Amino acid sequence: AQKVTQAQTEISVVEKEDVTLDCVYETRDTTYYLFWYKQPPSGELVFLIRRNSFDEQNEISGRYSWNFQKSTSSFNFTITASQVVDSAVYFCALSEHRNTPLVFGKGTRLSVIA
Amino acid sequence: NAGVTQTPKFRVLKTGQSMTLLCAQDMNHEYMYWYRQDPGMGLRLIHYSVGEGTTAKGEVPDGYNVSRLKKQNFLLGLESAAPSQTSVYFCASGPRRGQRIDTQYFGPGTRLTVL
Repeated sequence: AQKVTQAQTEISVVEKEDVTLDCVYETRDTTYYLFWYKQPPSGELVFLIRRNSFDEQNEISGRYSWNFQKSTSSFNFTITASQVVDSAVYFCALSEHRNTPLVFGKGTRLSVIA
Repeated sequence: NAGVTQTPKFRVLKTGQSMTLLCAQDMNHEYMYWYRQDPGMGLRLIHYSVGEGTTAKGEVPDGYNVSRLKKQNFLLGLESAAPSQTSVYFCASGPRRGQRIDTQYFGPGTRLTVL
């Protein structure tokens, strides 16, 4: 069975600090997809990244970076030089095949304090 | 191109009342999903559809029914609302397998309160 664990329920950092959000997943499939979504206070879900199980290259997009390690079943998300606008709930999610339903972690609430 | 829209945005029901939530997408997606979000629980799948006329149960289907009569619409029904169904409901859609862009796109959510 699929499972996504985000052990950090809430994180609080001071602006400009770096912060890493942890995501550990479980799946029996060799082909799967991992996602990160952001949910700002306004409530909508914003897609951040999708990674397939065959691509272990780390990815960087501006201040955001993702570290995918199959050996530890982890897909961690780092925000560099955090800003107040980064305050949100972040969800990690798993799909075992393209477009099968997503299994979400319980989310990590990030508060960035000015 | 509106993407995924949900109607209504907010609703308050009394226990035992019924209602239907409407999800519409204009991206010609085959797959559509209904999730619910509760505090501390993340999003959980209620029902989903892989094409017009087909539906399947998700993780938490009890108390809900769905219909996909048209490709662009996915309806979620509550026949007899209960306080335990107080939640934020999200609809999502995605293209069929094999298409290059296979990300799920989410609607803005419907906040439902059952008194």
